[in-house]
Amino acid sequence: GDSVTQMEGPVTLSEEAFLTINCTYTATGYPSLFWYVQYPGEGLQLLLKATKADDKGSNKGFEATYRKETTSFHLEKGSVQVSDSAVYFCAPTRGSTLGRLYFGRGTQLTVWP
Amino acid sequence: DAGVTQSPTHLIKTRGQQVTLRCSPKSGHDTVSWYQQALGQGPQFIFQYYEEEERQRGNFPDRFSGHQFPNYSSELNVNALLLGDSALYLCASSLDSGLRNTEAFFGQGTRLTVV
Repeated sequence: GDSVTQMEGPVTLSEEAFLTINCTYTATGYPSLFWYVQYPGEGLQLLLKATKADDKGSNKGFEATYRKETTSFHLEKGSVQVSDSAVYFCAPTRGSTLGRLYFGRGTQLTVWP
Repeated sequence: DAGVTQSPTHLIKTRGQQVTLRCSPKSGHDTVSWYQQALGQGPQFIFQYYEEEERQRGNFPDRFSGHQFPNYSSELNVNALLLGDSALYLCASSLDSGLRNTEAFFGQGTRLTVV
């Protein structure tokens, strides 16, 4: 079945450090790929998305490229801030499941000043 | 533009009781999905409603049921509550445009504690 594997957390970084959170997925067909972020005590917010191979999603300094050949969608940011501390979820979906999202366990990111 | 709103925000119930959670989708959206997020885990898909019918369902028992109203709002009902049902319940709304890249918007969730 469809699934996603994310880098194990927690990830702890100093402010202005480079961030990579790895994500690989297993899905039949041609999934769309999403990164969601969850701040403490809140619901999920869409961070960025990509809908076809080689698309790059970007938002708030975060980027991720849809790599069909390696079934990956790694999240990167060049310089993290304390306010980026949150849990990050990679989630594929595909048309045949009408928007159903498949979440992994998420990656906890803590950024220290 | 109001986003996805859920009520109540917090709820405490006793084992064996029944609970109803409510969700109003984002304006213009017609599809509502429900997810359960246990502590330290990712959200797990419960079911999805479209045109007032359950369109697809995840791996949850029949104790979990739902409803969608003509105004697209939705309810999640859980019967015979178990301690293991304690979780954050998230509602997500989207628009069924027939395209595969439907984008889901989430509410803040309802924190259910079963004691």
